[in-house]
Amino acid sequence: GESVGLHLPTLSVQEGDNSIINCAYSNSASDYFIWYKQESGKGPQFIIDIRSNMDKRQGQRVTVLLNKTVKHLSLQIAATQPGDSAVYFCADTGANSKLTFGKGITLSVRP
Amino acid sequence: ETGVTQSPTHLIKTRGQQVTLRCSSQSGHNTVSWYQQALGQGPQFIFQYYREEENGRGNFPPRFSGLQFPNYSSELNVNALELDDSALYLCASSPIAGGGNEQFFGPGTRLTVL
Repeated sequence: GESVGLHLPTLSVQEGDNSIINCAYSNSASDYFIWYKQESGKGPQFIIDIRSNMDKRQGQRVTVLLNKTVKHLSLQIAATQPGDSAVYFCADTGANSKLTFGKGITLSVRP
Repeated sequence: ETGVTQSPTHLIKTRGQQVTLRCSSQSGHNTVSWYQQALGQGPQFIFQYYREEENGRGNFPPRFSGLQFPNYSSELNVNALELDDSALYLCASSPIAGGGNEQFFGPGTRLTVL
């Protein structure tokens, strides 16, 4: 069945270090992948996306890597800041309207 | 530019009651999707509305229904509420329908069913 999952429920990093959040997906028909950040009491906030015809995409301090061979997605955050503390979700979608989210991983930044 | 707004922010109902949640899409967006997010879980797709018609539905029973209005705003209706319906209900809008498009989320409505 379709599922998008994250390997670890929590990640604690030192301020200034780089963070890497990993995600596995199972739907080989998925062609669009998104990372969302959700802070307490707020809705998910778009971070970065990538389409299946790409392997890597960079934004401001963030990079998303896609490995279609092993159905793996990762989010790299450079120079992690306290404001990056939140729950991060990967999500995927294909030709239909449905975004499939993983369970979420909590990123905690130590000062 | 106005973002996605939802009302109310919090709501408490009892089992068996009915509830209506409201969403105003971001300016220029004609597609609205609804998601249910249980505590500690990722959002689960309920359905999407485009041009006032349902355009895709997730694995939710018929007592979850919706509407979209000519101004692209939307309502989510849930009948015969159950305890497991307690969740954060999120609305997301996008400029076009279908997959492969960025969806912008509102702050959600927290529904508690007692």
